[in-house]
Amino acid sequence: QKEVEQNSGPLSVPEGAIASLNCTYSDRGSQSFFWYRQYSGKSPELIMSIYSNGDKEDGRFTAQLNKASQYVSLLIRDSQPSDSATYLCAVNGGAFSNTGNQFYFGTGTSLTVIP
Amino acid sequence: DAGVTQSPTHLIKTRGQHVTLRCSPISGHKSVSWYQQVLGQGPQFIFQYYEKEERGRGNFPDRFSARQFPNYSSELNVNALLLGDSALYLCASLAVPAQETQYFGPGTRLLVL
Repeated sequence: QKEVEQNSGPLSVPEGAIASLNCTYSDRGSQSFFWYRQYSGKSPELIMSIYSNGDKEDGRFTAQLNKASQYVSLLIRDSQPSDSATYLCAVNGGAFSNTGNQFYFGTGTSLTVIP
Repeated sequence: DAGVTQSPTHLIKTRGQHVTLRCSPISGHKSVSWYQQVLGQGPQFIFQYYEKEERGRGNFPDRFSARQFPNYSSELNVNALLLGDSALYLCASLAVPAQETQYFGPGTRLLVL
């Protein structure tokens, strides 16, 4: 069973601060990594994907990947109250595996941005 | 273009009943995946379908089944409902099975009493 671990939180940061969300995964062969945001009662929406070691920036969001440490993180700069949500880390199990192109999700980290 | 649609949005059933959930993928997408998300947990993979064939199955009992139609829409069926089947059921749309990016529908919230 492939594991994706996240600190469930809750994580609280003041408005304008940097929020740091962390994720580790068990399958060293994983190649694709994703961060989803899920508002209460809603479905997950994709924020970022990352495939190579290093940083990937998109607006206020930066994803960081370290395959050697099996670690992926998400930084949210200038956090806003509208960023308050649960953030899900997902790992692609392998598009050509015999179990289908399934994504393994962590339990999510709850983020609250305090005005 | 319409996104992923799912119906119904909410459903209440009793233990032992059967339920059918429906999903229409994004226009032009040919693959559908189903996930179960229990409150407080991340989504768990149930099935992936492409061209009407099952391409993958997660660790769920045989009470769960699905199918895909020629128009690429899909149904998820759950028999002999248990209280533990209460969850948000998500449908994800992919252009092709190997696509890296999947797009979720709004989900169907099932409550089993």
